[in-house]
Amino acid sequence: NAGVTQTPKFQVLKTGQSMTLQCAQDMNHNSMYWYRQDPGMGLRLIYYSASEGTTDKGEVPNGYNVSRLNKREFSLRLESAAPSQTSVYFCASSPLSTGATEAFFGQGTRLTVV
Amino acid sequence: AQSVTQPDIHITVSEGASLELRCNYSYGATPYLFWYVQSPGQGLQLLLKYFSGDTLVQGIKGFEAEFKRSQSSFNLRKPSVHWSDAAEYFCAALPGGGNKLTFGTGTQLKVEL
Repeated sequence: NAGVTQTPKFQVLKTGQSMTLQCAQDMNHNSMYWYRQDPGMGLRLIYYSASEGTTDKGEVPNGYNVSRLNKREFSLRLESAAPSQTSVYFCASSPLSTGATEAFFGQGTRLTVV
Repeated sequence: AQSVTQPDIHITVSEGASLELRCNYSYGATPYLFWYVQSPGQGLQLLLKYFSGDTLVQGIKGFEAEFKRSQSSFNLRKPSVHWSDAAEYFCAALPGGGNKLTFGTGTQLKVEL
């Protein structure tokens, strides 16, 4: 059972380039999340999706877009990368739309924007 | 605004000593509460969770946490720390009926041998 799979694991972008971070879960979970982790700031929520076809902004959505392609997949897109988006990105999923259980995390994507 | 606060950025304890990591939350109603652990270069692993009922919650790896409504706290404890417990610990909260899972800023635990 793979759980939550993120690709790629590492990425270096030049300022202004675009890219999509992929996330897939095989646990039939309804809710999915994207966080970024920066030193001293914990995990900050970028976007989340309560169910297929719905997405909501989190604390730090600016500069990002998301797509809940189907129940399994939730992608995060950077249209024009900036150095401030250098971070470690985590995708997570949880079973119920009301969120009354814990989230399961992927291994993270380490993104550097130069 | 809903928030989770972990007042201690770094904590150092000696191996075998007891540990308490603090977490406070600010929500209109009691949220669901979680503690996660992150080892270097890894994702997050759930240690324990509180939804309702018994205010002392047992988790994995010998950890426990106590929910105190009067103090809006959910502190993590371990009676005797092992060197392998060195990691970053995150408290998180989820409002009842909601989906927005919010994390604190984390506490980095160092264990001295």
